[in-house]
Amino acid sequence: KQEVTQIPAALSVPEGENLVLNCSFTDSAIYNLQWFRQDPGKGLTSLLLIQSSQREQTSGRLNASLDKSSGRSTLYIAASQPGDSATYLCAVGSGGGADGLTFGKGTHLIIQP
Amino acid sequence: GAVVSQHPSWVICKSGTSVKIECRSLDFQATTMFWYRQFPKQSLMLMATSNEGSKATYEQGVEKDKFLINHASLTLSTLTVTSAHPEDSSFYICSAREYRYEQYFGPGTRLTVT
Repeated sequence: KQEVTQIPAALSVPEGENLVLNCSFTDSAIYNLQWFRQDPGKGLTSLLLIQSSQREQTSGRLNASLDKSSGRSTLYIAASQPGDSATYLCAVGSGGGADGLTFGKGTHLIIQP
Repeated sequence: GAVVSQHPSWVICKSGTSVKIECRSLDFQATTMFWYRQFPKQSLMLMATSNEGSKATYEQGVEKDKFLINHASLTLSTLTVTSAHPEDSSFYICSAREYRYEQYFGPGTRLTVT
């Protein structure tokens, strides 16, 4: 059974810093990996989707990498801003895309003004 | 594009009653819809997968007689929590997918059972 782990569980940094969030998964036979953002009491906002054949995806200040063989993904946030404060979730898709996603427990990020 | 809506956004019901949550894909045909549950300060857990016109497939530990899922059309799936109890209070989120493309998530429904 796929398990997804996110480290750290919480992170607080001053505004302007670059930071890295980590995600690891136990079964490397994934279909895709997705990073989401969740604000308190809200739904999910999709940030980046990486297909299993891809190594990375970029959107603005965000860059996500995928190393399927080692079961790892990182989310890099450049020049962090207070508006980036949220919980970041990593989710893995398997079963050729037919299955639901397996989520990590998330990293709670606080950017200090 | 790729918008998924949920209704209601929040609901309070009394213990023992049933509540229905709707999930709609607004601008695409969802061949598959998923239902997830999120307890406070926990991550999302997949409850069930439903394909249009077929019975839902439930994850281990999820009671299919308690959480009734109907995916009657390519744009609508419903989750009915029957005989709700306080421990069913949670945040329920659906997602929808056309074939094997990306899943798009709804905004969630917060259920409180008193």
